[in-house]
Amino acid sequence: SYVLTQAPSVSVAPGQTASITCEGNDIGSESVHWYQQKPGQAPVLVVYDDRDRPSGIPDRFSGFNSGNTATLTIDSVEAGVEADYYCQVWDRSGDHPVFGGGTKLTVL
Amino acid sequence: QVQLQESGPGLVKPSQTLSLTCTVSGDAFSGGTYYRSWIRQRPGKGLEWIGHIYSSGSTSYNPSLKSRISMSVDASKNQFSLKVTSVTAADTAVYYCARAERLGMGRVFFDSWGQGTLVAVSS
Repeated sequence: SYVLTQAPSVSVAPGQTASITCEGNDIGSESVHWYQQKPGQAPVLVVYDDRDRPSGIPDRFSGFNSGNTATLTIDSVEAGVEADYYCQVWDRSGDHPVFGGGTKLTVL
Repeated sequence: QVQLQESGPGLVKPSQTLSLTCTVSGDAFSGGTYYRSWIRQRPGKGLEWIGHIYSSGSTSYNPSLKSRISMSVDASKNQFSLKVTSVTAADTAVYYCARAERLGMGRVFFDSWGQGTLVAVSS
């Protein structure tokens, strides 16, 4: 089964840019999707198909995918984006989703 | 706008069966190319896919849970359901129902989630 690896935590100062990575074998050939989950809440899709944003998601969220690493970037970080972030791809052979382990973003 | 809502007991005894229902509104329940899915999150852990029912009615389950899982759909009520048999404390989790649309090969993501329901397994 396909494995996605995320760093457990990332810390960033307010106003700076946060980069959250998701590693997988040739992940650049897959469509990667990202979810934000705040404490006690359900996950929310923030980026799909590597770089597209659903309606209502601010443009401070962006994504890139190439090689063995996909990256979610959050510009001008503020306390409101502090959350867990999960990447996800679809395992085509098994026809099921695969999630990364999640990265906790802390705003210092 | 699609809305999903989980319902079911919040407490289940060990060895018994966990049963949850997801009620969907704002969605053309029949047809389309949707995966109606169950995902759980154990306390302090990440997201774990449990299984799904595709629009065609076919099902797919997480191999690690497959022997204890069943899912069904009641299109007349816009609902789909999950059963997990022989539960243990390891099945204590927040259970989410979610919808994923298949936009193309590999392009499947969850655009709508229920709020989640905590199920504790304890005597």
